[in-house]
Formats: sequence, structure tokens, C-alpha cells
Amino acid sequence: EVQLLESGGDLEQPGGSLRLSCVASGFTFTNYVMSWVRQAPGEGLEWVSTISGSGGATYYADSVKGRFTISRDNSKNTLYLQMNSLRAEDTAIYYCAREYSSSSGGKTHDYWGQGTLVIVSS
Amino acid sequence: QSALTQPRSVSGSPGQSVTISCTGTSSDVGGYNYVSWYQQHPGKAPKLIIYDVSKWPSGVPDRFSGSKSGNTASLTISGLQAEDEADYYCCSYAGRYTWVFGGGTKLTVL
Repeated sequence: EVQLLESGGDLEQPGGSLRLSCVASGFTFTNYVMSWVRQAPGEGLEWVSTISGSGGATYYADSVKGRFTISRDNSKNTLYLQMNSLRAEDTAIYYCAREYSSSSGGKTHDYWGQGTLVIVSS
Repeated sequence: QSALTQPRSVSGSPGQSVTISCTGTSSDVGGYNYVSWYQQHPGKAPKLIIYDVSKWPSGVPDRFSGSKSGNTASLTISGLQAEDEADYYCCSYAGRYTWVFGGGTKLTVL
């Protein structure tokens, strides 16, 4: 059974830093591209960042570029999101999600964790 | 990276059908057949219900169906049931390993 378990969410002051983790199980972690998606309170979903299976390629939304860093440790089946220079607008539930690519060339995020809450406030 | 456009809310009675639209641009919805739909109940994580415009993940009933025309994708839910009441989000690949979501649609089953 595929499972994704996020942790690391907390209350942090503006300008501060947090590191989120997502431990994966039930699949061969290194074979999959992984993403972070966030949801502000009462709002919709927003793609944040994506990392290749090897960790050698990373991609970011404009809203977090230069402040957030996605990484992974395939020996620990763990995905990370280092969040620096936090702003009030970063307040959200952060989900990690597995990217599935089908043999016919399709793409989607097929499994999601339960999320971890980040609150940025003074 | 502008959000896809969805209606804020839709409603229907049990047994009826409803359709939720998702409008993007030629750079996302219109440019790729990688549109997904997610169902989200309050306090829960999103659940994939449609991917690649019209494909079903294992375990999702075929009451849920997806389609696309030009820059607009659609999700149709037929035979509405009480448990279908939830928020629904579309998502499209937008090239260069980026993704864009819709603002979400609240479905009310009357």
C-alpha cells in the first residue's frame, strides 16, 4: 500500500525557516517524480515544487522560487521542502504527492499524503 | 502560472447529473492531454478521480467522467449521490515540469 506521511509543519514567524519532510512507503521511491502542493486555509490547491527521481532536477512555482528548496534522500525514502524567508501568504497545508507517468505518456499526481500545516504569523 | 477557471459552486439532486468546467489556455489545458480531477472532502487530502482527461484510476466509479474541448476540460458526475458532496479541483500540466490547478468547485447535493 502506497503511503506518504508529511511532518514538520509548525507556527513560524515571518522571515523564519522550516523544513518539511515526507516519508514514502509501499513503492520504489527512487522511480518516481515527487511534488509538493499547498492549500491555504479555505482556498484552492497550488503546485509548489517538483523533483525528479534522482533528485538532479528541480522545478518551482514563481511564488516560492529563490525561497524554497526541494530535495530528496532516496536511501531514506524521504522528500523534503526547505522553506526560507517565510511570508504570511505561505500559510497553508502542505501535501506531498507522487507523480505517476503512464506507459502511454500520461501524467498525474496519483497518491497524496494527509498534509502538514504551516502557519506563518508573528 | 495563472489558476485555471472553475465555477465556485454547482448543485444537483440525487440521481441527477452535473458538469463542472475548467478553463485554461493553450499553454496548459489546451496544450496537453494531462488534465486531472480531484475530489476533496472537508479535512481530507485530495483524491484522484480522473487523469489524462478521461481515464479512471482503479476503484473510481464510472459515474465520474472527463472530457476536453480546446482550452476547457469538463468533469461530469452522473447519478449524483450524497457522498459526492465535496470540493472538486481540476489540474493541468503546464509544460517544463510545472502544474496549474483550478480554484475549486463546491458541489452541493440537494
